Amino acid sequence: KAGVTQTPRYLIKTRGQQVTLSCSPISGHRSVSWYQQTPGQGLQFLFEYFSETQRNKGNFPGRFSGRQFSNSRSEMNVSTLELGDSALYLCASRLGLAANEQFFGPGTRLTVL
Amino acid sequence: EDQVTQSPEALRLQEGESSSLNCSYTVSGLRGLFWYRQDPGKGPEFLFTLYSAGEEKEKERLKATLTKKESFLHITAPKPEDSATYLCAVQAGAAGNKLTFGGGTRVLVKP
Repeated sequence: KAGVTQTPRYLIKTRGQQVTLSCSPISGHRSVSWYQQTPGQGLQFLFEYFSETQRNKGNFPGRFSGRQFSNSRSEMNVSTLELGDSALYLCASRLGLAANEQFFGPGTRLTVL
Repeated sequence: EDQVTQSPEALRLQEGESSSLNCSYTVSGLRGLFWYRQDPGKGPEFLFTLYSAGEEKEKERLKATLTKKESFLHITAPKPEDSATYLCAVQAGAAGNKLTFGGGTRVLVKP
């Protein structure tokens, strides 16, 4: 059974640009969450989507947004990139809202120059 | 606000030298405590979920335990391949389904 996949694996952008990251959950999983991981702040929750609706949101500015499609695939977008947005962005999927275990993908390493 | 603190930050072990990692938490209404393992450049790999005080789970050389205020991850007779960062996370009732993570413990097992 294939795990969570994320594309691209690496990205380099410059300040002010925007970026879109993609996540395909484990087959049959309908909930997708996004996390940001940095050396200073660790792993922090961005948002969760289920049935194409955002169910929960972390404490990030509005420049961070996401969406989910009918096939459960999800994208997150960061607009007007800042140097501090450089991080590993991780996607996690779970079966549904009642399921507790979340399974992570390999992440997208974003570098903002 | 939910808080998770892991100690120590780093741990160097000789192969075969057993040790324990600590995860202390302050949450409103614990729904689950999770342990993950993360290798450099990779996403966290799920290890265990614990739901109530007194619960224990084992997998190979790893054993996780839970009390009302903390969890321990015991590594018995570790091998070099157990070297990784071990992350603890909680899911609390008031915070929906998001995971709140601790800072992790970097474990290095030397042969």
